[in-house]
This record gives sequence, structure tokens and C-alpha cells, in this order.
Amino acid sequence: QKEVEQNSGPLSVPEGAIASLNCTYSDRGSQSFFWYRQYSGKSPELIMFIYSNGDKEDGRFTAQLNKASQYVSLLIRDSQPSDSATYLCAVNGPGTASKLTFGTGTRLQVTL
Amino acid sequence: GAVVSQHPSRVICKSGTSVKIECRSLDFQATTMFWYRQFPKKSLMLMATSNEGSKATYEQGVEKDKFLINHASLTLSTLTVTSAHPEDSSFYICSATPPRGRNSPLHFGNGTRLTVT
Repeated sequence: QKEVEQNSGPLSVPEGAIASLNCTYSDRGSQSFFWYRQYSGKSPELIMFIYSNGDKEDGRFTAQLNKASQYVSLLIRDSQPSDSATYLCAVNGPGTASKLTFGTGTRLQVTL
Repeated sequence: GAVVSQHPSRVICKSGTSVKIECRSLDFQATTMFWYRQFPKKSLMLMATSNEGSKATYEQGVEKDKFLINHASLTLSTLTVTSAHPEDSSFYICSATPPRGRNSPLHFGNGTRLTVT
């Protein structure tokens, strides 16, 4: 079983719609959860991080964490073509601060 | 925000040569830096953890004699790919986190695209 799983996509949403990206993880001891955006040929950039159960909002982005279900999601409201990228879910490794395990990423396509 | 600089951004070398990649934390001190490798359409794979003043910790399957890591100061870690071969061609990315707590986010350098011919 992979430690961090994401649907590879592509996930296609029309401009202005809500994009919902999902991620599950296997280690119940994980404490920190991160969403990174990666454009083709570029390195990842941090979008959001969340530590506690519930929702965390930052502009058009909302991260949702459910530790009981080992599930973390990212919602992008009012999706824009510039949001088209691969979104990587990352979870801190078992027992080691800052050592992240990444999912394979979900490719998002926002269509006009 | 935290800035991590990586150099060079792109390098082409011949098989058998060595390539050095530098990773610098520009506005914070990083006792720990991480080196990742990413093949096309694949996720980031952690290669090693670079520890300032001590030996790097390599992930399983990563040859420490091939991927030499030096972390001589609190703002600089280097990765040297020795005797490079075409299968080493990949996107290498370093990362670091400001010392704000154990769960601080990682910040990535811009990556180095290595092509071995």
C-alpha cells in the first residue's frame, strides 16, 4: 500500500467552478499535511498546510483534514486557467519532522 | 518568506563526468536540507537528508558513493552526482525548512534539470 495516494487525473473543471482534490495517507501518526502546486518543468510551491482536523481557508483555497478517515483534500474555488498544474499532497513521514512523503500528484486542467 | 536557491538550473554533461549542484537557504539557517529527485510524470522521491556538520542520511536504494552530499555550513548543501550516466538524468530538487518548529513547511529550490549524454 502506498503511503500517500492521489488520483493522477487529469481532473478537468470549467473556469469558475470548484476543483476538489483528494488525498489519503496510510500512517495514522502523521501530523502535518501539505499541498504543493507544481507547474510542468518547475519545482513545487507551497499552497497550504494543515495540522488540525477541520477546514483551513486561504483565499480561494480550502484544505480539509479528517484524521479519523486519513483523508486530506484541497478545494479551489473560482478555478482559473492559471490553476492548471499538478497538485502534490505531502505528509510528514513517521516520526520525523519535515521529512515529507509525497503522493504522485493530481493533474488539474481548468478549461475555458 | 523563506527562500531556497538552487544552482545550476540546468546542466548537460557527458557520461562519466561529475556534476555538483548547490542549494542555499538565503534568508534563514538550515541545519537540515533535503534532496529529492523527480523523473518525468512521477512524484518526488526523497534521496537523502543533508545534515549540517555531519554525514547525510540516505534513503534506501540511493548510493551514497554516487550521490555525494556535503553540508558544510548552515546555508549551503551540495549534491555531487559522480560518474554520471544517462539513467541519472532527472530533475533534482533541494528543500529546506526554517527552524520554526517540527512541522514547518518545506520550501523548495527551483530545481536542477540534469541531462547526461
